[in-house]
Amino acid sequence: AQRVTQPEKLLSVFKGAPVELKCNYSYSGSPELFWYVQYSRQRLQLLLRHISRESIKGFTADLNKGETSFHLKKPFAQEEDSAMYYCALTLTGANSKLTFGKGITLSVRP
Amino acid sequence: GAGVSQSPRYKVAKRGQDVALRCDPISGHVSLFWYQQALGQGPEFLTYFQNEAQLDKSGLPSDRFFAERPEGSVSTLKIQRTQQEDSAVYLCASSWTTGRGTDTQYFGPGTRLTVL
Repeated sequence: AQRVTQPEKLLSVFKGAPVELKCNYSYSGSPELFWYVQYSRQRLQLLLRHISRESIKGFTADLNKGETSFHLKKPFAQEEDSAMYYCALTLTGANSKLTFGKGITLSVRP
Repeated sequence: GAGVSQSPRYKVAKRGQDVALRCDPISGHVSLFWYQQALGQGPEFLTYFQNEAQLDKSGLPSDRFFAERPEGSVSTLKIQRTQQEDSAVYLCASSWTTGRGTDTQYFGPGTRLTVL
């Protein structure tokens, strides 16, 4: 069965510092990887997905199949980045149900 | 346009009561998912509909959980004889097509169920 691991529960940084939120997955096939974000009092929303290879709000994530990782990075954190972040995967060609990690709280201090 | 809506937003039930949670997906979305999110955890898949057909219910934790989407639009998740371990946020998500792994899922605000 597929599994997503987010090893840290909380990351606290100062504004302007680099950020890396870790995500590892276990699945023998070719999954699709996503990062979802939930800002305070808002609903869960898609931040980015690996197939798009986009940079959203300054965040990027590279799929490393050798290390089975999909870490989320941003070179300079902003206060508005403070939120809960979830890494998730779905199986290509399946009904696209998402398997989520436990999530990490990012706190960016002024 | 309007996003996914869920009602009620909060529900308190006494142990043993039945509850019904409603999800209104984005108009025209074919796929509908239910997830359960316990405190401090990520969302966990419960069940999936493609139009009115329930194609995957592998995540339903027990036969006390039942979901339906009779007309391929609004969905209801029913929990019978609620237990304390059912306390969680129940999330609904919908997406455009038949869910081939690339469609963005849009989430509702969730229903927070507390079982006393």
